[in-house]
Amino acid sequence: DAGVIQSPRHEVTEMGQEVTLRCKPISGHNSLFWYRQTMMRGLELLIYFNNNVPIDDSGMPEDRFSAKMPNASFSTLKIQPSEPRDSAVYFCASRRTSGSYEQYFGPGTRLTVT
Amino acid sequence: TQLLEQSPQFLSIQEGENLTVYCNSSSVFSSLQWYRQEPGEGPVLLVTVVTGGEVKKLKRLTFQFGDARKDSSLHITAAQPGDTGLYLCAHNTGNQFYFGTGTSLTVIP
Repeated sequence: DAGVIQSPRHEVTEMGQEVTLRCKPISGHNSLFWYRQTMMRGLELLIYFNNNVPIDDSGMPEDRFSAKMPNASFSTLKIQPSEPRDSAVYFCASRRTSGSYEQYFGPGTRLTVT
Repeated sequence: TQLLEQSPQFLSIQEGENLTVYCNSSSVFSSLQWYRQEPGEGPVLLVTVVTGGEVKKLKRLTFQFGDARKDSSLHITAAQPGDTGLYLCAHNTGNQFYFGTGTSLTVIP
């Protein structure tokens, strides 16, 4: 069974450009999470979805960030416009809401904004 | 946010040595999780501890949850280069997961 799939793995863009990160959760998992990891702030939860519905986006830093989950197998995190301080590794994770607490993380997208 | 502080922040040891890393908080938790993150990958869950004083073993790794459920430790016996990575503790309230600051471990062959 494939794990959480993220694309692209690396993204380099210029300040002001739009960036879209993509995630395919594990089939059958009904919760999806977006995290950001930096040296300074560690791993932070940005937003999570239950059954494709955004439940808590309090971790989203600014209005420049938005996330969607149009169906159970796909989610996007968009930054528009991007800024250098958005440079980080962005992880997507999924889990079944009931039963084990285990989250399964994707390999991450390393974003560099110049 | 209930802060989880991990120590040490960085640790570099020789293969075969033993080590302990810590996860501390002033809050009481119903459970704590430990993850290992290898370079270029996402974190992977190692164990969940749920009972105060609980000890869990995973091969050479021993995890302990404090009696008061405010802290936890991870002890590695005879460390190997494959143990190199970032060790994170975390707690959750429902689907809200909060991660500690992490301990970056390097095991030198």
